[in-house]
Amino acid sequence: DADVTQTPRNRITKTGKRIMLECSQTKGHDRMYWYRQDPGLGLRLIYYSFDVKDINKGEISDGYSVSRQAQAKFSLSLESAIPNQTALYFCATSPSTSGSMEDTQYFGPGTRLTVL
Amino acid sequence: DAKTTQPPSMDCAEGRAANLPCNHSTISGNEYVYWYRQIHSQGPQYIIHGLKNNETNEMASLIITEDRKSSTLILPHATLRDTAVYYCIVRSRTGNQFYFGTGTSLTVIP
Repeated sequence: DADVTQTPRNRITKTGKRIMLECSQTKGHDRMYWYRQDPGLGLRLIYYSFDVKDINKGEISDGYSVSRQAQAKFSLSLESAIPNQTALYFCATSPSTSGSMEDTQYFGPGTRLTVL
Repeated sequence: DAKTTQPPSMDCAEGRAANLPCNHSTISGNEYVYWYRQIHSQGPQYIIHGLKNNETNEMASLIITEDRKSSTLILPHATLRDTAVYYCIVRSRTGNQFYFGTGTSLTVIP
């Protein structure tokens, strides 16, 4: 979905390096998410944010941190990258649902990260 | 925890209907069922979602059983471009995340 962009699209780095993946959206959504996908597996949630002042850990947050700089921007950082963080990373957004369980998420194109 | 159960793979002849089943026996009364698909390593693409009633849009139809413990995604006339991994997802009990599982790999055969 062109409304959700991720940079970089591909990144190769070395163990111990700090890496930042960026996500921007023009959909005007309040909610943003970071997922990772390992080969042959489904997506797993790393962090999510329901508004600029809200940050929550997901299923697999260890080794990651996030920053919600604005409604449209949500960054994922790997403070000290390790090889098992090699994966596809996806950003997603969704509108506020005012307490409803209806929550359609829209995904970016992904970032392929390789940690050597 | 596994929220949904899907067959790991299915084949479908081009032009025929593809029926993808999903079991979600522990779904709660206010949880929606969502379907997404992922082509190669692209970002997952939203297809359809529903709560109780059957739903249809330009991409697919969603049939939910009366007890809501299972559902079927129907692609009425499958094309080669529908070859993808299809994920059936229910909203978590905490209301904060989707559990994607491993999905069904659909191959449309010419």
